[in-house]
Amino acid sequence: DTAVSQTPKYLVTQMGNDKSIKCEQNLGHDTMYWYKQDSKKFLKIMFSYNNKELIINETVPNRFSPKSPDKAHLNLHINSLELGDSAVYFCASSPKLARETQYFGPGTRLLVL
Amino acid sequence: QQQVKQSPQSLIVQKGGISIINCAYENTAFDYFPWYQQFPGKGPALLIAIRPDVSEKKEGRFTISFNKSAKQFSLHIMDSQPGDSATYFCAASKEGNKLVFGAGTILRVKS
Repeated sequence: DTAVSQTPKYLVTQMGNDKSIKCEQNLGHDTMYWYKQDSKKFLKIMFSYNNKELIINETVPNRFSPKSPDKAHLNLHINSLELGDSAVYFCASSPKLARETQYFGPGTRLLVL
Repeated sequence: QQQVKQSPQSLIVQKGGISIINCAYENTAFDYFPWYQQFPGKGPALLIAIRPDVSEKKEGRFTISFNKSAKQFSLHIMDSQPGDSATYFCAASKEGNKLVFGAGTILRVKS
């Protein structure tokens, strides 16, 4: 049983398009995260939600909009995709906040052409 | 501003050897220091974590050493195996806040 799942696994799209990545966790956790991992493998938090409430919003362009319909789901919508958005996006969850184990999904590899 | 500095960037170790990865942090308010392991094509997974009230934590072949006064912590992998080849990330956080990751170390264990 997959604890944190993401769809799609791969996403290849043209500049200017709008795309969404979905994330679901079946661990009963309160907190979910979106991370971006660039080509140098640097891992940086983008957003964090706790019980559907946005609690961390890093310096991320407004083109990125997270949405949490319930505490088991956290989706990421990206408008007007740019070349620099190409990266691996990871969803993660933890029981409460950052000081507990975070469980990462398998990642979504986004390539913007 | 890089709050957690990790070194080396890459590391090659012979099978059976000791792998050592170091991290230094700046923010004295950090109170949770985990290490994550990431295999190619997978998401990071928690390997071991420490809080600053202890100087060392061991789980199997993996040990974290923590030096609060120097604001440094390190991961030691004893008897390194080819299956340990992965990217290792140190991280730090403080109460109610985000995890800040180091830049990662690519470990290759040669058989």
